[in-house]
Amino acid sequence: DQQVKQNSPSLSVQEGRISILNCDYTNSMFDYFLWYKKYPAEGPTFLISISSIKDKNEDGRFTVFLNKSAKHLSLHIVPSQPGDSAVYFCAATLLSSGNTPLVFGKGTRLSVIA
Amino acid sequence: DTAVSQTPKYLVTQMGNDKSIKCEQNLGHDTMYWYKQDSKKFLKIMFSYNNKELIINETVPNRFSPKSPDKAHLNLHINSLELGDSAVYFCASSPLTGLAKNIQYFGAGTRLSVL
Repeated sequence: DQQVKQNSPSLSVQEGRISILNCDYTNSMFDYFLWYKKYPAEGPTFLISISSIKDKNEDGRFTVFLNKSAKHLSLHIVPSQPGDSAVYFCAATLLSSGNTPLVFGKGTRLSVIA
Repeated sequence: DTAVSQTPKYLVTQMGNDKSIKCEQNLGHDTMYWYKQDSKKFLKIMFSYNNKELIINETVPNRFSPKSPDKAHLNLHINSLELGDSAVYFCASSPLTGLAKNIQYFGAGTRLSVL
């Protein structure tokens, strides 16, 4: 029973172009969403988050969009750089319930080609 | 100085053995977690501790016992290891209050291989 789904296991993008990573969720109670980036043999590193009261959050080259009615969020990276090549995990949680664990998607492997 | 550190990074052991994984965070966070990433790459919560108190115990076998001697440490002890325990185990921590309260910081992971 996957509550958070990342349907694309991998994505290849040319350097300088936009990378768009998608994530869907099924639990309408989720009110906080996060993106993590993971390099091999390292732990996930927090990238950007968004609360359910917003539809967009931007931090430098990274923007997360949230469509609550569709239960869908996406991470845009522009321009993409070779150092962005990593596995990206979408995660969701219940912020209003205090410190609750994150529910992760399976991840999307992004390859940025120079 | 790593914020969340786990030891060991790799652990290879035989079925039936007992082993421990240690985790320490120097971020001053109140909440610590153990996650398991299985062969299908899903990261799933196992345990959550708030100030040394167990808050969440997902359906994890009794062979797994977390221990928190203080709020900066959350160790994971596994008895009678089975082949299916082979996975990467991640420790994480987060603050209990403030704007960053649900942002979790992860250790580098411990890759456990049970032979």
